[in-house]
Formats: sequence, C-alpha cells, structure tokens
Amino acid sequence: AQKVTQAQTEISVVEKEDVTLDCVYETRDTTYYLFWYKQPPSGELVFLIRRNSFDEQNEISGRYSWNFQKSTSSFNFTITASQVVDSAVYFCALQRGSQGNLIFGKGTKLSVKP
Amino acid sequence: DTGVSQDPRHKITKRGQNVTFRCDPISEHNRLYWYRQTLGQGPEFLTYFQNEAQLEKSRLLSDRFSAERPKGSFSTLEIQRTEQGDSAMYLCASSLPPRFGNEQYFGPGTRLTVT
Repeated sequence: AQKVTQAQTEISVVEKEDVTLDCVYETRDTTYYLFWYKQPPSGELVFLIRRNSFDEQNEISGRYSWNFQKSTSSFNFTITASQVVDSAVYFCALQRGSQGNLIFGKGTKLSVKP
Repeated sequence: DTGVSQDPRHKITKRGQNVTFRCDPISEHNRLYWYRQTLGQGPEFLTYFQNEAQLEKSRLLSDRFSAERPKGSFSTLEIQRTEQGDSAMYLCASSLPPRFGNEQYFGPGTRLTVT
C-alpha cells in the first residue's frame, strides 16, 4: 500500500525561528517521486519541490531545505528563519513511478506569528 | 497568465442537480488530473488523462462522476444527481510526463456546495 504520513497536524512558531515539517512515506516501489506543496490561505496549491527515489541528495533553495532519507522513508522539510508569509498548510505527496496520481498526506498547518 | 484555470470558481447547487466543471491546463502539458479536497484533508485523486485518453480512475469516482478531455486540451468533470457528500473543492492539475519533469501544477479549484 502507498501512504504518506504527516504526523504534525499544526505547528506554531514565532518569526525567525527554524521549523521542520516531517513526512514519512510507505511504498514498495523502487521508482517513485516525492513532492512538497504549499497551500496558503488563498487556497491554491503551490509546487515547492520534486525528488525522485534515486536522488537522495539534500536540496536547499533560499530559506527552504529538504532532507530525503530512504533508510527511514522520510522526506522532511525545513524552513530557516521563518516569516509570517510562510503561514500555510504544507502537504507532502508520493507518486508511484508508473502512475500519475499523487497520494497526499493530511498536511501540516504552519502558523508563523510576528 | 499561462497557469491552470478552472471555471466556475464557486458553484452552489441543490441536491439532485447535475453540475459540470471545466479545467484548462497549461498549454504544453499533456497530462491532466482531477482531485477532490475536503476541509482539513489533503487532495484525493479522482482521475487523470494523458492527452485525450483517461488512464486512471479512482474508486472514489462513482458512476455519477464522468470526466472527459475530448481533444486533449481542456477537460470537463460532470457530477450527476449531486449529493450533499459531494460538497468539496474540486482541483485540476496538469503536468508533463516524468522524463520532462512531472510536477503537477494546480488550478485555483472549483468549490462545490450542495444544499
């Protein structure tokens, strides 16, 4: 079975704090893709990153960084020096290599307070 | 704007009525997806097309739901005999095939309320 678990339902931090959002996935496939999406209060899902199962390199993009560890089936997302504009629901998703559909976690609601 | 567009943005209908939603993908994307999202949940996959072929359908897609993409461009999602449980945000996304970067780009959604 394919599954994505985001155990943190809500996180609240104060601006400039670092925050890590956890994502654990389950799949028996050897080829798969992992994604993170942001859904701000306006509602539209915004693509942040894609990672395929053969690429375990961590990635950094500005204040965002991602840590992919196949050994623990985790794909965690860290925001450094958080800002109020980072407040949103963040979704982790899994896609099997042979299929098109994304399997989403339930999301983590991040609130960044000034 | 060359993003994914959806129409209408909001739809209120009475139980038992039929509704149809439209999605226009990013022009060079040959894959188009439909998802449904309810409050506090992640999007749930409904169906997807590659060009005009419908390649996957979720078990969530009951007989009352039908989707088309007749010319491989825009797509429509129709719900017949709507029920209150159909109330949700219906999301459309599009992408290229995996070898070209298969990240899905989402539209703003159509919020359906069944009264």
